[in-house]
Amino acid sequence: DQQVKQNSPSLSVQEGRISILNCDYTNSMFDYFLWYKKYPAEGPTFLISISSIKDKNEDGRFTVFLNKSAKHLSLHIVPSQPGDSAVYFCAARLQGAQKLVFGQGTRLTINP
Amino acid sequence: DTAVSQTPKYLVTQMGNDKSIKCEQNLGHDTMYWYKQDSKKFLKIMFSYNNKELIINETVPNRFSPKSPDKAHLNLHINSLELGDSAVYFCASSQDQGLESTDTQYFGPGTRLTVL
Repeated sequence: DQQVKQNSPSLSVQEGRISILNCDYTNSMFDYFLWYKKYPAEGPTFLISISSIKDKNEDGRFTVFLNKSAKHLSLHIVPSQPGDSAVYFCAARLQGAQKLVFGQGTRLTINP
Repeated sequence: DTAVSQTPKYLVTQMGNDKSIKCEQNLGHDTMYWYKQDSKKFLKIMFSYNNKELIINETVPNRFSPKSPDKAHLNLHINSLELGDSAVYFCASSQDQGLESTDTQYFGPGTRLTVL
């Protein structure tokens, strides 16, 4: 009963184009969503987040969109750069709870 | 100047053995966590400690016992290791208990445990 799912295990994008990573969730009690980025042999690092009261948050090349009615969020990276090649994890926090629930990650490869 | 460090990075051991993974953070954070990344790649929380006090214990077998000697350290002891314990274990820390929107979790590099 995975409450956070990333249905695309991998994604390949050409350098300079837009990368769109998707995440779906099932629990309407999640109040905060985060994206983490992970390079090989390293731990996940925080990238960007969004509160459930917003539908968009932007930070430089990274934008996260939240569609609460569809229980869907996405991460847009534009323009994509080779250094963006990594595994991206979507995570969600239950309202009033401390723990994060993670998806299984999407491996993004940026091709030159 | 590593923020969250774990040792060892790799651990290969036989079934039935007892092993420990150490975690240290130098960020001055009050809360520390252990996560397990299973074969399906999901990161699942196991435990969290706030100022050496257990806050979260997620239906983990009692063969797993976290120990926090001080708020900068959270070690994970595993007794009677089983094949299904093979996974990557990540330690993390956060300033507070993760309830505030600005409270980011910082992860260590992970420990890959292989049980033969």
